[in-house]
Amino acid sequence: ETGVTQSPTHLIKTRGQQVTLRCSSQSGHNTVSWYQQALGQGPQFIFQYYREEENGRGNFPPRFSGLQFPNYSSELNVNALELDDSALYLCASSSGTGGATGELFFGEGSRLTVL
Amino acid sequence: RKEVEQDPGPFNVPEGATVAFNCTYSNSASQSFFWYRQDCRKEPKLLMSVYSSGNEDGRFTAQLNRASQYISLLIRDSKLSDSATYLCVVKANNNDMRFGAGTRLTVKP
Repeated sequence: ETGVTQSPTHLIKTRGQQVTLRCSSQSGHNTVSWYQQALGQGPQFIFQYYREEENGRGNFPPRFSGLQFPNYSSELNVNALELDDSALYLCASSSGTGGATGELFFGEGSRLTVL
Repeated sequence: RKEVEQDPGPFNVPEGATVAFNCTYSNSASQSFFWYRQDCRKEPKLLMSVYSSGNEDGRFTAQLNRASQYISLLIRDSKLSDSATYLCVVKANNNDMRFGAGTRLTVKP
């Protein structure tokens, strides 16, 4: 196991609602990246947090926001949910902003369904 | 054009076969390259990095052509346990790892 834990594992929301997903990074890792993976697609980069600051963002609207806490755990918040937000949300931790080896350690993900 | 494009697949091969996956990337400033593996309903895991000179890890060989912006993965002597989706990943800077859509491989007895 990677040591990266995510919660909840599954959840169902309706359009317009808000959701918060949580991630605990692997011990010793100070960087957390969030990805959205739609069915049949590769993970799409949402943003990265390094030492509690946003450190890069993909092509996602502002209603996707996040936080990183002093213990390096992180939250992903999505406001005004849309049907297309239904996906697997993956959290990945690494040491440093990209990891010396490029290795990201993923959690098992939170599967969000928006009805 | 997608930043990272892969063979759409799926690839269905018999055990023992050799199979090759291709990947192209659009950002010429990309610095680092990787192949990740994702089993069904599981998280992605690093399979191997890809170096300019090409590199091998057992039955797996990865190659990079920077001029053509092309990456490949060759799997020799396929095993049933190789069945998975293989994700091509390109890193342009320290913050941003871009994944392809993945190529699904099924190895059959």
